[in-house]
Amino acid sequence: KAGVTQTPRYLIKTRGQQVTLSCSPISGHRSVSWYQQTPGQGLQFLFEYFSETQRNKGNFPGRFSGRQFSNSRSEMNVSTLELGDSALYLCASSAGPGGEDTQYFGPGTRLTVL
Amino acid sequence: QKEVEQDPGPLSVPEGAIVSLNCTYSNSAFQYFMWYRQYSRKGPELLMYTYSSGNKEDGRFTAQVDKSSKYISLFIRDSQPSDSATYLCAMGGGAQKLVFGQGTRLTINP
Repeated sequence: KAGVTQTPRYLIKTRGQQVTLSCSPISGHRSVSWYQQTPGQGLQFLFEYFSETQRNKGNFPGRFSGRQFSNSRSEMNVSTLELGDSALYLCASSAGPGGEDTQYFGPGTRLTVL
Repeated sequence: QKEVEQDPGPLSVPEGAIVSLNCTYSNSAFQYFMWYRQYSRKGPELLMYTYSSGNKEDGRFTAQVDKSSKYISLFIRDSQPSDSATYLCAMGGGAQKLVFGQGTRLTINP
């Protein structure tokens, strides 16, 4: 079974731009969670989608948004990029809701904001 | 106070040593406990999954959960240089999202 895939793997943007990241979950998984990972803050939860509905949301500003499609693929968008948004963005999928089921991570998208 | 506390290390031990990694938590609703391993510039990969209290063993790895003390551990026996990575504990339950520890950076020296 193919694992979680994320595209693109690397991105370089400038302040003020917006970016869209994509995540394809493991086949059959209905939950997709997004995390931001930085050396100082560790792994921080952004949001979780289950069957196209946002189930949980972390403590991030409204510039961070996401959605999930009927095929469970998910995208997250960051508008008006700031230098502090530079991070590894990880997507994880699970068969059931994220808090109840094992999450499998993708390789991440490394975003650099200049 | 964070929901999950994990000593970030770094932790450095000689090859062959027994490694003990720990997390404490405050939310008694947590029922699912996991350990992930993350190599540099990669996504975390699941190592161990435990439901409720007790021990689980998988090869050189043993996970322990003590819900009464709100304390979980991961033991690595006969540690190898290939075990050098960051280890993250994670826990969840019910309608709650999965919560991760800060991660402990481990180095096994040959």
